[in-house]
Amino acid sequence: AQSVTQPDIHITVSEGASLELRCNYSYGATPYLFWYVQSPGQGLQLLLKYFSGDTLVQGIKGFEAEFKRSQSSFNLRKPSVHWSDAAEYFCAVGTGNQFYFGTGTSLTVIP
Amino acid sequence: GAGVSQSPRYKVAKRGQDVALRCDPISGHVSLFWYQQALGQGPEFLTYFQNEAQLDKSGLPSDRFFAERPEGSVSTLKIQRTQQEDSAVYLCASSSGWGLSYEQYFGPGTRLTVT
Repeated sequence: AQSVTQPDIHITVSEGASLELRCNYSYGATPYLFWYVQSPGQGLQLLLKYFSGDTLVQGIKGFEAEFKRSQSSFNLRKPSVHWSDAAEYFCAVGTGNQFYFGTGTSLTVIP
Repeated sequence: GAGVSQSPRYKVAKRGQDVALRCDPISGHVSLFWYQQALGQGPEFLTYFQNEAQLDKSGLPSDRFFAERPEGSVSTLKIQRTQQEDSAVYLCASSSGWGLSYEQYFGPGTRLTVT
């Protein structure tokens, strides 16, 4: 069965510091991979996605993610975090018509 | 343009009551998805429509859950005889095409509390 693991439930970083959110998946084939952000009272917003090709993908708001097949990982990174990045981040695997979401990582940004 | 809207935004139901949750997708979007998000969890797939056809309902947790999209636009998720474990945020998403290569646009959700 497909599964998505986000090992960090909560992360706190200082504004301006770099960020890496971890995501590991379990899936038999090369999956479609996604990162979404959810702010309070807002719907989920797509940050970036990976289907094939270049394993380093760029997204919106300065985020990037790298697909590593050997590690079954798709970690999200940002070189310099802004206070407005505080939110819940979800990694997701897509197969068929279904998404499988991780349990999320809550990001707190301190000044 | 307008995004995905959902109504009501909040719903409190007594155990045993029936509820109906509405989703208005982005105009012209052919695909529509429903998800259930329990507190502290990621969204879980419930069902998928392509136009008016419900192609996948494998995620519906019980036969108390029913979804429809009769004219291929607005969709309603109905929960009969609500139970406390149904308390969650119900998310709707739509996309302009078929398949996961098309971005899903999510609504703000309906928070259902069953007392």
